[in-house]
Amino acid sequence: AQKITQTQPGMFVQEKEAVTLDCTYDTSDPSYGLFWYKQPSSGEMIFLIYQGSYDQQNATEGRYSLNFQKARKSANLVISASQLGDSAMYFCAMRDENTGFQKLVFGTGTRLLVSP
Amino acid sequence: DTEVTQTPKHLVMGMTNKKSLKCEQHMGHRAMYWYKQKAKKPPELMFVYSYEKLSINESVPSRFSPECPNSSLLNLHLHALQPEDSALYLCASSPRDRGYGYTFGSGTRLTVV
Repeated sequence: AQKITQTQPGMFVQEKEAVTLDCTYDTSDPSYGLFWYKQPSSGEMIFLIYQGSYDQQNATEGRYSLNFQKARKSANLVISASQLGDSAMYFCAMRDENTGFQKLVFGTGTRLLVSP
Repeated sequence: DTEVTQTPKHLVMGMTNKKSLKCEQHMGHRAMYWYKQKAKKPPELMFVYSYEKLSINESVPSRFSPECPNSSLLNLHLHALQPEDSALYLCASSPRDRGYGYTFGSGTRLTVV
């Protein structure tokens, strides 16, 4: 079975600094997809970034980058130049390939607080 | 239109009530999902619809009844719920093929009293 682990319940960072949110995963499938979502207090899940298991390069989307280390089975999210609006819950998720659908398995999340 | 719209945003219902949650998308996505999220927990999958047919039911109690009347709409009918069913209910959609990224709605916060 696939599993996602986020070991940081909470992280603090000062505005304009970079922060790394950790995510490790476990799967026996050679083909998988990894996602990061942001969930503000309003509840909406906002898609941030995606990394496919066969992608040669680390994914980047604006201030977000994914540090993908396949051998270590880690997919850490790096947020550069943090902003106050980045304060939210962040979930790492993996696509379950077995079902043929985009069933996502989520980690427990990391709450990020950005201070002025 | 790149949104998933969920209504209502908040719902309070008694244990004997019948209510429905609604989800709508116009992105042409052919897979739609219901997730349940308890406070301080990750979302948990409830149901998956593909081409308007129920494809996955994650052993959800029968007091939750999903319905997909067309490719743009997804409903969740609620009946005889328990207080422990209070949660954020998230709808999402995705392309049927293996693209990347769900699009989530903003959710319905349900309180059962």
